[in-house]
Amino acid sequence: SQQGEEDPQALSIQEGENATMNCSYKTSINNLQWYRQNSGRGLVHLILIRSNEREKHSGRLRVTLDTSKKSSSLLITASRAADTASYFCATDVSGSGNTGKLIFGQGTTLQVKP
Amino acid sequence: NAGVMQNPRHLVRRRGQEARLRCSPMKGHSHVYWYRQLPEEGLKFMVYLQKENIIDESGMPKERFSAEFPKEGPSILRIQQVVRGDSAAYFCASSPQGQLALTDTQYFGPGTRLTVL
Repeated sequence: SQQGEEDPQALSIQEGENATMNCSYKTSINNLQWYRQNSGRGLVHLILIRSNEREKHSGRLRVTLDTSKKSSSLLITASRAADTASYFCATDVSGSGNTGKLIFGQGTTLQVKP
Repeated sequence: NAGVMQNPRHLVRRRGQEARLRCSPMKGHSHVYWYRQLPEEGLKFMVYLQKENIIDESGMPKERFSAEFPKEGPSILRIQQVVRGDSAAYFCASSPQGQLALTDTQYFGPGTRLTVL
């Protein structure tokens, strides 16, 4: 099964509400990254959290990491219609022989209604 | 500083033809990763290259797929004798340090959308 699994698969909210997406993984990681993908476009890097960090903020984004539960969450506050996109978590796994490749989850599709 | 560039953005091939996808990393980046995204799915790692070296090709199909990153010029992902199942979006990412760093951000290109008829 996937190294990164996200839930929910789809989320629909009203503009101004907060959106929370969760990601779980299986193996030890060096870091966990969140990306956004607008329909039919490339990926935009949002935020990276290292394995020794618990929380990180960037603008309206807040990411938490719980290595004991092997899970992370992405919170988008005061959502806007422009936040409508798919959001992916990606893990950079640790251990000898790691080459820095990222393992992506299936993604959460967020729709923000104006 | 231009981002990661990929071309073509869209590529249509008939079954049995060859597809060549190009990726130019960000300036100063010497580490390139290729990923494939099937419809409605996340990205799957294919191959990691440094200049003139393949470091990790554990995600590459055993046949028909190859990749290179020459000393000069872009990285090339080559798919020979394409089949319908190869239809997907292929993304390239570059990073400044790759496996040399425990924490390294990958910057993605816009992708090449391959359609096999």
